[in-house]
Amino acid sequence: AQSVTQLDSQVPVFEEAPVELRCNYSSSVSVYLFWYVQYPNQGLQLLLKYLSGSTLVESINGFEAEFNKSQTSFHLRKPSVHISDTAEYFCAVSAGGTSYGKLTFGQGTILTVHP
Amino acid sequence: GAVVSQHPSWVICKSGTSVKIECRSLDFQATTMFWYRQFPKQSLMLMATSNEGSKATYEQGVEKDKFLINHASLTLSTLTVTSAHPEDSSFYICSGQRGGNTGELFFGEGSRLTVL
Repeated sequence: AQSVTQLDSQVPVFEEAPVELRCNYSSSVSVYLFWYVQYPNQGLQLLLKYLSGSTLVESINGFEAEFNKSQTSFHLRKPSVHISDTAEYFCAVSAGGTSYGKLTFGQGTILTVHP
Repeated sequence: GAVVSQHPSWVICKSGTSVKIECRSLDFQATTMFWYRQFPKQSLMLMATSNEGSKATYEQGVEKDKFLINHASLTLSTLTVTSAHPEDSSFYICSGQRGGNTGELFFGEGSRLTVL
């Protein structure tokens, strides 16, 4: 079984400031890691994922996350946020094989970017 | 990108009635779909895995007779909440998996159920 902990339920920041959304997980098996974003009144959208290879993964809109196996973390970072980044962010993990699509989610972090 | 659509997006029903929620993959075939529920201020919890042409597999603690899942085609899975009660009020979200073992997952917009 896996579990995910997002350490901050809400993160307020000013526009153009850097941000880090923290995610720790626990699992007895190797996992795949995901970050999803949910804008108001919309479904979850994949932001980035780690399956294998380079531990640093990037999204097309400037977010990045680094898989740290020793610290069992997958923190999400962006060096300079925009107002449009205001949303709820979910970290998730899954095991491989037939369990790949069975995601275990964290509690979510609401990122609010202020002008 | 691929789209998964849920219907209805919100529904209000009386206690004791049954409600059906549809999850459609609009531009890809999903042999596997997943159903989650989300209580207010809590995380999404996996309820069951819906497999096209076979029975759904339910997570521990989820009543299969309460939450009926049917995956009759490669683009449609339905979740029926039977004899709904106020405690079943929740946000229900589905996802469809496109492709093979690490195929991308696409989520629907969610369906908010309120049982009076």
